[in-house]
Amino acid sequence: QSALTQPASVSGSPGQSISISCTGTSSDVGNSDHVSWCQQHPGKVPKLMIYDVSHRPSGVSDRFSGSKSGNTASLTISGLQAEDEADYYCLSYTTSKNWVFGGGTRLTVL
Amino acid sequence: QLQLQESGPGLVKPSETLSLTCTVSDDSISRSTYSWVWIRQPPGKGLEWIGNTYYGGTTQYNPSLKSRVTISLDTSKSQVSLKLTSVTAADTAVYFCARRKRYTSNLDVWGKGTTVTVSS
Repeated sequence: QSALTQPASVSGSPGQSISISCTGTSSDVGNSDHVSWCQQHPGKVPKLMIYDVSHRPSGVSDRFSGSKSGNTASLTISGLQAEDEADYYCLSYTTSKNWVFGGGTRLTVL
Repeated sequence: QLQLQESGPGLVKPSETLSLTCTVSDDSISRSTYSWVWIRQPPGKGLEWIGNTYYGGTTQYNPSLKSRVTISLDTSKSQVSLKLTSVTAADTAVYFCARRKRYTSNLDVWGKGTTVTVSS
């Protein structure tokens, strides 16, 4: 299974909104209701931000939202804050009953 | 609050077997509503799904690692184990265990991770 495709980097200014895409195939994102997004600060443990495409765990800011269209899932962060600067990874269930991560996206807050 | 704690040798020689344990602080390991996951991250690289298992169920492995990996549960010790055979330098990584609520992609609890270096 190939890793899901994410942009290597995205950037935005404080207060702006940004989106990170996660492109897969009909064997994963396109046929899965189980897509997650994790945030990882350098040297830290990944933290779940979105699960099942658009569900936010308790305690995660409502500035984070998820969606999916076809084979591409997206994470949108609104009202960008300095603390949002981190690496973001998408994760999808596959039709082979496995899971696959995206390559990761480095978010820079300008 | 549930905690997961990975443990095992920090240094493994090439061609040998990497063995790690994840200790679960409550009894949720015996509930079939949760799946137990191993994930790794090589230095400076992204996350990689290794595999997962659940109580009373089947185990799924990353196809690229399937021939070398075994994940199992020891409910008497509340532990999830990972064994990876014939390791090479490419297996050097931080290894995380995590809990996933079955039928969802909710990885709700993660361990702090343990670093394993493969070197002679």
